[in-house]
Order: sequence, then structure tokens, then C-alpha cells
Amino acid sequence: EAQVTQNPRYLITVTGKKLTVTCSQNMNHEYMSWYRQDPGLGLRQIYYSMNVEVTDKGDVPEGYKVSRKEKRNFPLILESPSPNQTSLYFCASSFGTSSGNTIYFGEGSWLTVV
Amino acid sequence: QQQVKQSPQSLIVQKGGISIINCAYENTAFDYFPWYQQFPGKGPALLIAIRPDVSEKKEGRFTISFNKSAKQFSLHIMDSQPGDSATYFCAATQGGSEKLVFGKGMKLTVNP
Repeated sequence: EAQVTQNPRYLITVTGKKLTVTCSQNMNHEYMSWYRQDPGLGLRQIYYSMNVEVTDKGDVPEGYKVSRKEKRNFPLILESPSPNQTSLYFCASSFGTSSGNTIYFGEGSWLTVV
Repeated sequence: QQQVKQSPQSLIVQKGGISIINCAYENTAFDYFPWYQQFPGKGPALLIAIRPDVSEKKEGRFTISFNKSAKQFSLHIMDSQPGDSATYFCAATQGGSEKLVFGKGMKLTVNP
């Protein structure tokens, strides 16, 4: 089954404690990205990756890091989480950026920073 | 600067009614306009999409209408069902771009 898998699905953490949200896809997609979803703001792109070792900033990259060492994995790293990073996070993947390529989303990771 | 503006923010319709969601865009280079459907607790999933060379695309009860001159497109859900209750996002992108620009979403509630 084609899927994008995120872990953890739910996490409550404290300010400043480093955390990593993992993302893995089994569709051999080149393109992967992270979004955050906040009420009234919709989906905003954090970082994206065109392929292994190729990453770039999206619209809201501050406070986040990513890496793409393997094609299937694209972890999101919060080095020092703050309460304004409390959000619902989605990992997504697709075959590329040509218009018409369907983007597949994971089921989301609810993160609360206290 | 919001490149895709979506309205309304929420909508309540009765079963069997028509749901209409509108989106407007600014970038005339956009050439692909997908709609994503998101159920509670799930990630968004592609519902239907259109390119600007056609004015309408229909898939079952879902229809996209596209007005290139007005830079607007809309999703019509005919015979709305309670199972259609979800958040709907319009989006836009252009070939070769790394970015899919989303509207802010619209929460649809279909009452039985």
C-alpha cells in the first residue's frame, strides 16, 4: 500500500527539548516536503527536498531543520522547540514538481510544546 | 502575500444541497489547480484537479469551474452528503515549481 508514514502521531514536549518527527514514504518519490497546519492559516510549507541531499526552505522555515540522507526518509528536526511551534505537521511526497503530480500526505503529527 | 484566496471559511448545508467553494489566484503563471479534501484526523488527499485550458471538469458529484480571465476557480459539490463533511483546500502551482500554494481551507458540514 502506497503511504507516507509519520511518527510520532502525537507528542507533548517542553520548551527547548530537541525533538525529531520522522517521515518515510514507500513510493520511491523524489520530492518530499513538510507542512504545518494552523487554524485560519491553512497549510504552510516548512521545508522541501527535491532529492537526496537537496533541501530548501519553504514559507516558514524558522526554528526547523531537515535532512535527506535517503530517498525514502525526510525527518523534521526541532532543535529548541518553542510554544509557537505547537501545530499539526504533515509530511508529503510526490514524484516531482511537474504540475499534475499528485502530492501524498501523511496522517499528521500533533505537536504541543509547553 | 496570499497567492490563493479561498472563501468562505466555513459552510453548512443540508443533505442533498449544493456546496460551493470559491478560490481566486494572483499568479498568472499557475497552470495546475488541485483541490484537496481532508477528513478529521487525516492528511489532505487529492480530490480533483483542473488545468486552465478547460473551463470545467466533472468527476461524479464534484465539479471544478475555471474562469481564467477572472483568475478564479470553484468547487461545486452536488447532492451533498454527510460523508462530504470535511475541510477542503484549493491549491495552485506551476510546472517546475517546488511550491504548491494552498488556500486557507474551508470546513464543510453537511447536515443529515
